[in-house]
Amino acid sequence: DVKVTQSSRYLVKRTGEKVFLECVQDMDHENMFWYRQDPGLGLRLIYFSYDVKMKEKGDIPEGYSVSREKKERFSLILESASTNQTSMYLCASSSGVHSYNEQFFGPGTRLTVL
Amino acid sequence: AQSVSQHNHHVILSEAASLELGCNYSYGGTVNLFWYVQYPGQHLQLLLKYFSGDPLVKGIKGFEAEFIKSKFSFNLRKPSVQWSDTAEYFCAVTVTDSWGKLQFGAGTQVVVTP
Repeated sequence: DVKVTQSSRYLVKRTGEKVFLECVQDMDHENMFWYRQDPGLGLRLIYFSYDVKMKEKGDIPEGYSVSREKKERFSLILESASTNQTSMYLCASSSGVHSYNEQFFGPGTRLTVL
Repeated sequence: AQSVSQHNHHVILSEAASLELGCNYSYGGTVNLFWYVQYPGQHLQLLLKYFSGDPLVKGIKGFEAEFIKSKFSFNLRKPSVQWSDTAEYFCAVTVTDSWGKLQFGAGTQVVVTP
Protein backbone atom coordinates (compact mmCIF):
# COMPACT_ATOMS: atom_id res chain seq x y z
CA ASP A 1 0.00 0.00 0.00
CA VAL A 2 1.07 3.53 -0.73
CA LYS A 3 1.80 5.38 2.41
CA VAL A 4 2.01 9.12 2.82
CA THR A 5 2.93 10.29 6.27
CA GLN A 6 2.96 13.76 7.75
CA SER A 7 5.13 14.76 10.67
CA SER A 8 2.39 16.01 12.98
CA ARG A 9 -1.38 15.53 13.29
CA TYR A 10 -1.82 18.67 15.36
CA LEU A 11 0.40 21.74 15.65
CA VAL A 12 -0.04 24.99 17.56
CA LYS A 13 2.21 27.92 16.73
CA ARG A 14 2.36 31.62 17.46
CA THR A 15 2.07 34.45 14.97
CA GLY A 16 5.42 35.20 13.36
CA GLU A 17 6.95 31.79 14.00
CA LYS A 18 8.57 29.82 11.21
CA VAL A 19 6.72 26.56 10.72
CA PHE A 20 7.84 23.39 8.96
CA LEU A 21 5.42 20.72 7.84
CA GLU A 22 7.01 17.53 6.64
CA CYS A 23 5.64 14.90 4.29
CA VAL A 24 7.17 11.57 3.35
CA GLN A 25 5.95 9.01 0.81
CA ASP A 26 7.28 5.50 0.44
CA MET A 27 6.26 4.58 -3.11
CA ASP A 28 8.94 6.35 -5.13
CA HIS A 29 6.39 8.79 -6.55
CA GLU A 30 7.67 11.60 -8.74
CA ASN A 31 4.97 14.12 -7.88
CA MET A 32 4.14 15.59 -4.51
CA PHE A 33 1.56 18.19 -3.55
CA TRP A 34 0.59 20.42 -0.65
CA TYR A 35 -3.04 21.46 -0.19
CA ARG A 36 -4.90 23.30 2.48
CA GLN A 37 -8.42 22.26 3.37
CA ASP A 38 -10.91 24.80 4.73
CA PRO A 39 -14.63 24.31 5.37
CA GLY A 40 -16.71 25.42 2.44
CA LEU A 41 -13.66 25.88 0.22
CA GLY A 42 -12.59 22.30 -0.35
CA LEU A 43 -8.90 21.69 -0.97
CA ARG A 44 -6.72 24.33 -2.58
CA LEU A 45 -3.30 23.65 -4.03
CA ILE A 46 -0.44 25.57 -2.44
CA TYR A 47 2.61 24.12 -4.20
CA PHE A 48 3.59 20.99 -6.02
CA SER A 49 6.77 19.31 -7.13
CA TYR A 50 7.30 16.94 -10.05
CA ASP A 51 10.93 16.14 -9.33
CA VAL A 52 13.66 16.63 -6.75
CA LYS A 53 14.51 20.31 -6.36
CA MET A 54 11.68 21.26 -8.74
CA LYS A 55 8.67 23.18 -7.51
CA GLU A 56 5.71 24.96 -9.01
CA LYS A 57 3.25 27.38 -7.47
CA GLY A 58 -0.31 26.27 -7.04
CA ASP A 59 -3.35 28.48 -6.60
CA ILE A 60 -2.50 29.99 -3.21
CA PRO A 61 1.30 30.10 -2.75
CA GLU A 62 1.47 33.44 -0.92
CA GLY A 63 3.02 33.12 2.53
CA TYR A 64 4.37 29.63 1.83
CA SER A 65 7.48 28.05 0.42
CA VAL A 66 8.51 24.44 -0.18
CA SER A 67 11.57 22.28 -0.30
CA ARG A 68 12.22 18.97 -1.99
CA GLU A 69 15.77 17.80 -1.46
CA LYS A 70 14.96 14.10 -1.65
CA LYS A 71 12.43 12.31 -3.79
CA GLU A 72 10.46 10.92 -0.87
CA ARG A 73 10.24 14.12 1.18
CA PHE A 74 8.36 17.35 0.53
CA SER A 75 8.36 20.12 3.10
CA LEU A 76 6.00 23.06 3.41
CA ILE A 77 7.37 26.14 5.12
CA LEU A 78 5.46 29.03 6.59
CA GLU A 79 8.11 31.74 6.83
CA SER A 80 6.15 33.85 9.30
CA ALA A 81 2.95 32.20 10.43
CA SER A 82 -0.22 34.28 10.52
CA THR A 83 -3.64 33.55 11.96
CA ASN A 84 -5.17 33.23 8.48
CA GLN A 85 -2.92 30.22 7.92
CA THR A 86 -4.81 28.27 10.56
CA SER A 87 -6.05 25.32 8.54
CA MET A 88 -5.78 21.62 7.77
CA TYR A 89 -2.79 20.88 5.55
CA LEU A 90 -2.80 17.80 3.35
CA CYS A 91 0.12 16.30 1.50
CA ALA A 92 -0.35 14.01 -1.50
CA SER A 93 1.78 12.11 -3.97
CA SER A 94 1.29 10.53 -7.37
CA SER A 95 3.34 8.73 -9.97
CA GLY A 96 4.23 9.60 -13.53
CA VAL A 97 3.16 12.39 -15.82
CA HIS A 98 -0.40 11.43 -16.61
CA SER A 99 -2.89 13.87 -15.16
CA TYR A 100 -5.39 11.07 -14.55
CA ASN A 101 -3.15 9.26 -12.09
CA GLU A 102 -4.54 8.92 -8.60
CA GLN A 103 -3.17 11.07 -5.82
CA PHE A 104 -2.59 9.42 -2.45
CA PHE A 105 -3.14 11.61 0.58
CA GLY A 106 -1.60 11.77 4.01
CA PRO A 107 -3.62 12.09 7.23
CA GLY A 108 -3.28 15.86 7.40
CA THR A 109 -1.80 18.32 9.88
CA ARG A 110 -4.20 20.60 11.67
CA LEU A 111 -2.29 23.81 12.26
CA THR A 112 -3.52 26.48 14.64
CA VAL A 113 -1.76 29.84 14.64
CA LEU A 114 -2.44 31.94 17.73
CA ALA B 1 -9.41 29.61 -14.64
CA GLN B 2 -11.14 26.29 -14.27
CA SER B 3 -13.54 25.80 -11.40
CA VAL B 4 -15.56 22.97 -9.90
CA SER B 5 -19.01 23.42 -8.40
CA GLN B 6 -20.73 21.00 -6.10
CA HIS B 7 -24.42 21.66 -5.81
CA ASN B 8 -25.01 20.69 -2.22
CA HIS B 9 -22.93 21.45 0.83
CA HIS B 10 -24.86 19.22 3.22
CA VAL B 11 -27.07 16.23 2.54
CA ILE B 12 -28.92 14.24 5.18
CA LEU B 13 -30.67 11.03 4.23
CA SER B 14 -31.83 7.75 5.70
CA GLU B 15 -30.28 4.36 5.16
CA ALA B 16 -31.46 2.66 1.96
CA ALA B 17 -32.23 6.01 0.31
CA SER B 18 -30.65 6.82 -3.02
CA LEU B 19 -27.88 9.39 -3.23
CA GLU B 20 -26.97 11.72 -6.06
CA LEU B 21 -24.35 14.44 -5.69
CA GLY B 22 -23.99 16.99 -8.42
CA CYS B 23 -20.70 18.24 -9.82
CA ASN B 24 -20.11 20.70 -12.65
CA TYR B 25 -16.83 22.02 -13.94
CA SER B 26 -15.91 24.92 -16.14
CA TYR B 27 -13.21 24.02 -18.62
CA GLY B 28 -13.51 23.51 -22.35
CA GLY B 29 -10.56 21.22 -22.93
CA THR B 30 -9.87 17.58 -22.14
CA VAL B 31 -10.44 16.85 -18.49
CA ASN B 32 -10.03 14.00 -16.05
CA LEU B 33 -12.67 13.76 -13.36
CA PHE B 34 -12.48 12.34 -9.88
CA TRP B 35 -14.56 11.78 -6.81
CA TYR B 36 -12.65 11.56 -3.55
CA VAL B 37 -14.15 10.68 -0.19
CA GLN B 38 -13.07 11.49 3.35
CA TYR B 39 -14.59 9.27 6.02
CA PRO B 40 -14.52 10.63 9.57
CA GLY B 41 -10.98 10.45 10.91
CA GLN B 42 -9.58 8.91 7.75
CA HIS B 43 -7.40 9.96 4.83
CA LEU B 44 -8.90 11.38 1.69
CA GLN B 45 -9.18 8.48 -0.76
CA LEU B 46 -10.21 7.94 -4.35
CA LEU B 47 -13.77 6.74 -4.92
CA LEU B 48 -13.67 6.65 -8.73
CA LYS B 49 -12.33 8.49 -11.74
CA TYR B 50 -13.00 9.07 -15.40
CA PHE B 51 -10.37 9.83 -18.03
CA SER B 52 -11.58 8.08 -21.18
CA GLY B 53 -13.92 5.42 -22.52
CA ASP B 54 -17.30 4.54 -21.04
CA PRO B 55 -18.74 7.70 -19.47
CA LEU B 56 -20.43 5.61 -16.78
CA VAL B 57 -17.76 4.80 -14.24
CA LYS B 58 -18.07 2.38 -11.37
CA GLY B 59 -16.06 2.83 -8.21
CA ILE B 60 -15.63 1.29 -4.82
CA LYS B 61 -18.43 0.60 -2.34
CA GLY B 62 -21.18 0.58 -4.95
CA PHE B 63 -20.70 4.14 -6.16
CA GLU B 64 -20.90 5.18 -9.78
CA ALA B 65 -20.64 8.43 -11.69
CA GLU B 66 -21.65 9.56 -15.14
CA PHE B 67 -19.66 11.97 -17.25
CA ILE B 68 -21.92 14.09 -19.46
CA LYS B 69 -19.62 16.17 -21.61
CA SER B 70 -22.36 18.40 -23.03
CA LYS B 71 -23.40 19.40 -19.53
CA PHE B 72 -19.88 19.62 -18.08
CA SER B 73 -21.10 17.36 -15.32
CA PHE B 74 -19.86 14.36 -13.37
CA ASN B 75 -22.56 13.39 -10.90
CA LEU B 76 -22.03 10.74 -8.26
CA ARG B 77 -24.72 8.17 -7.46
CA LYS B 78 -25.40 5.31 -5.15
CA PRO B 79 -28.75 3.48 -5.28
CA SER B 80 -28.95 2.57 -1.60
CA VAL B 81 -26.77 4.22 1.03
CA GLN B 82 -25.58 2.78 4.30
CA TRP B 83 -24.72 4.46 7.58
CA SER B 84 -21.03 3.84 6.74
CA ASP B 85 -21.36 6.17 3.73
CA THR B 86 -21.39 9.13 6.10
CA ALA B 87 -18.46 11.19 4.85
CA GLU B 88 -17.41 14.27 2.97
CA TYR B 89 -17.34 13.88 -0.80
CA PHE B 90 -15.19 15.96 -3.11
CA CYS B 91 -15.40 16.30 -6.85
CA ALA B 92 -12.12 17.19 -8.55
CA VAL B 93 -10.76 17.87 -12.02
CA THR B 94 -7.38 17.80 -13.72
CA VAL B 95 -6.56 18.85 -17.23
CA THR B 96 -4.11 17.27 -19.63
CA ASP B 97 -0.46 18.26 -19.21
CA SER B 98 -1.07 19.74 -15.79
CA TRP B 99 1.11 17.32 -13.76
CA GLY B 100 -2.11 16.11 -12.21
CA LYS B 101 -2.90 19.31 -10.32
CA LEU B 102 -6.31 18.72 -8.83
CA GLN B 103 -8.94 21.46 -8.76
CA PHE B 104 -11.42 20.53 -6.04
CA GLY B 105 -15.01 21.46 -5.42
CA ALA B 106 -16.05 22.75 -2.01
CA GLY B 107 -17.18 19.32 -0.86
CA THR B 108 -20.50 17.83 0.20
CA GLN B 109 -21.00 16.57 3.73
CA VAL B 110 -23.25 13.53 3.61
CA VAL B 111 -24.88 12.24 6.78
CA VAL B 112 -26.73 8.93 6.65
CA THR B 113 -29.07 8.29 9.55
CA PRO B 114 -29.88 4.76 10.69
